[in-house]
Amino acid sequence: KQEVTQIPAALSVPEGENLVLNCSFTDSAIYNLQWFRQDPGKGLTSLLLIQSSQREQTSGRLNASLDKSSGRSTLYIAASQPGDSATYLCAMRDANAGKSTFGDGTTLTVKP
Amino acid sequence: DAGVTQSPTHLIKTRGQQVTLRCSPKSGHDTVSWYQQALGQGPQFIFQYYEEEERQRGNFPDRFSGHQFPNYSSELNVNALLLGDSALYLCASSFIGRDTEAFFGQGTRLTVV
Repeated sequence: KQEVTQIPAALSVPEGENLVLNCSFTDSAIYNLQWFRQDPGKGLTSLLLIQSSQREQTSGRLNASLDKSSGRSTLYIAASQPGDSATYLCAMRDANAGKSTFGDGTTLTVKP
Repeated sequence: DAGVTQSPTHLIKTRGQQVTLRCSPKSGHDTVSWYQQALGQGPQFIFQYYEEEERQRGNFPDRFSGHQFPNYSSELNVNALLLGDSALYLCASSFIGRDTEAFFGQGTRLTVV
């Protein structure tokens, strides 16, 4: 059974700082990995998808990496802004391209 | 493209009642998955529908059932509601068998009183 852990559970940083969010998983037989953003009471917004043949993906100030052998993924946010304040979730899609297994998220607060 | 749309956005039900939630997938997507998200936790997989059949199911009781229609839209039904069913219910759509993104709707907030 896949288990996903996100560390830290909460993070508070001053504006402009670079930061790294961590995600670890127990079963390396994943299909792909997606990072999402969730604002309070809202749905999930897809940030980055690391496809099955990829190890890294970049979009603007965001960079995500995946190491299946060690069961780890990281989301790097450069030059953080107050608008980045949200909960960030990682999700592993299983090898059957079926269900996704989520961590409980990291709640990020960026202070002006 | 409207993306994934869910209705209603909020719902209040009494314990023991039944509820139906609805989801329209992103245009072209053929697979719909449902998730339950309790406060402060990550979404938990309920089930996935493809070609009008339940393809995968998570660890949820039979009180949770679903349906997919020929136009790929889907319903989630929950019978005999319990207080613990209060949560945000999320719908996700994707292409079956393709290494592409899953897109989520804004969710339905269900409160059971």
